[in-house]
Amino acid sequence: AQSVTQLGSHVSVSEGALVLLRCNYSSSVPPYLFWYVQYPNQGLQLLLKYTTGATLVKGINGFEAEFKKSETSFHLTKPSAHMSDAAEYFCAVSSNAGGTSYGKLTFGQGTILTVHP
Amino acid sequence: GAGVSQTPSNKVTEKGKYVELRCDPISGHTALYWYRQSLGQGPEFLIYFQGTGAADDSGLPNDRFFAVRPEGSVSTLKIQRTERGDSAVYLCASSLEAGPTYEQYFGPGTRLTVT
Repeated sequence: AQSVTQLGSHVSVSEGALVLLRCNYSSSVPPYLFWYVQYPNQGLQLLLKYTTGATLVKGINGFEAEFKKSETSFHLTKPSAHMSDAAEYFCAVSSNAGGTSYGKLTFGQGTILTVHP
Repeated sequence: GAGVSQTPSNKVTEKGKYVELRCDPISGHTALYWYRQSLGQGPEFLIYFQGTGAADDSGLPNDRFFAVRPEGSVSTLKIQRTERGDSAVYLCASSLEAGPTYEQYFGPGTRLTVT
């Protein structure tokens, strides 16, 4: 079974400050890892994903995440927060375990990011 | 092009009633997923279709829940004898093919409230 833990249900930063949203996963097989963002009254939007290869992944809107197998982590960062980054962020895991390549996503509980002027 | 659409956007129903939630995926996408998001939680997988067939329905909570995709495009999630605990946002996603390397595109969801 797979699971995702997001540390901190709410994170608050000042505009221009570093954004760090934490995600740890559990998976018995090599994981595929994702970060999604959800703006109010909108659908989930993919920010970035890790499948194989380079462990530092760059996504949209200046976000990036690093896959650290030894720490079972996939933390999301952005060097300088903008007001428009205020939203809820979800980390998710998937795999091809057992040869069933259906892409089912297991999500964390989400982190609400607030950006102060 | 058009994204994933879901109707209705909001549905209020009384306990014990039957409801249908509709999902229109992106044209040409063969895989379709349903998730449920309760307040303060992340989305939870319900069922996934590859074409017309339900490839994995392991996330459906009980036999009151059923979903169909008869022509391999539009899907309907059906809930019988609704309970207050069914209140949640129901999300639909589609992808070009099944598998974790294919991006899932999410619709805005249907907010179901059971009174």
